[in-house]
Amino acid sequence: DSGVTQTPKHLITATGQRVTLRCSPRSGDLSVYWYQQSLDQGLQFLIQYYNGEERAKGNILERFSAQQFPDLHSELNLSSLELGDSALYFCASSVEVVSLYNEQFFGPGTRLTVL
Amino acid sequence: AQKITQTQPGMFVQEKEAVTLDCTYDTSDQSYGLFWYKQPSSGEMIFLIYQGSYDEQNATEGRYSLNFQKARKSANLVISASQLGDSAMYFCAMRRNTGNQFYFGTGTSLTVIP
Repeated sequence: DSGVTQTPKHLITATGQRVTLRCSPRSGDLSVYWYQQSLDQGLQFLIQYYNGEERAKGNILERFSAQQFPDLHSELNLSSLELGDSALYFCASSVEVVSLYNEQFFGPGTRLTVL
Repeated sequence: AQKITQTQPGMFVQEKEAVTLDCTYDTSDQSYGLFWYKQPSSGEMIFLIYQGSYDEQNATEGRYSLNFQKARKSANLVISASQLGDSAMYFCAMRRNTGNQFYFGTGTSLTVIP
């Protein structure tokens, strides 16, 4: 158990809908990262937050947004869902952001299926 | 542009043998970090080993070692004395100093044969 929790574990929804994925980092970790893992795209870095502020942006679509709250939990919002958004969404956390060495601890993932 | 390349989609190794999983990377940064992660069939991502671009010695963590060849931009993972539990997907990743971006390779599926 990495100490990172993600809810829900599975999510099934329809095209055009909006969903929210939730992540609680390990105790003491200030950085939260979101990743999308799909069969055709592999593991893609989406976005990083550090202590409530956005710190890095990867291949995140405009239909997607994220935030990190004062209690450090993070939410990833996915809207106007398309079939291609079906994927495993990982959250990871780490202690700091300034060091290149940032062992990231991954949550169990949320499996999103868009029908 | 592809930042991390793992050219072996699938690998097989006999139990107790050593295996090398290839990873090459592309960056013009002088400072970067390289990571290997394991993803078993259960889906979780497990950190294995880290190598910094300025580290002169190859990283080792138990049965895992990283064969770092900076001039060739390669960071191969060596697993010694393979065990059945090593069967999983293995991902190489790079963290660039510029923009704080993370890049993952497409992964190598390792199967350990009894």
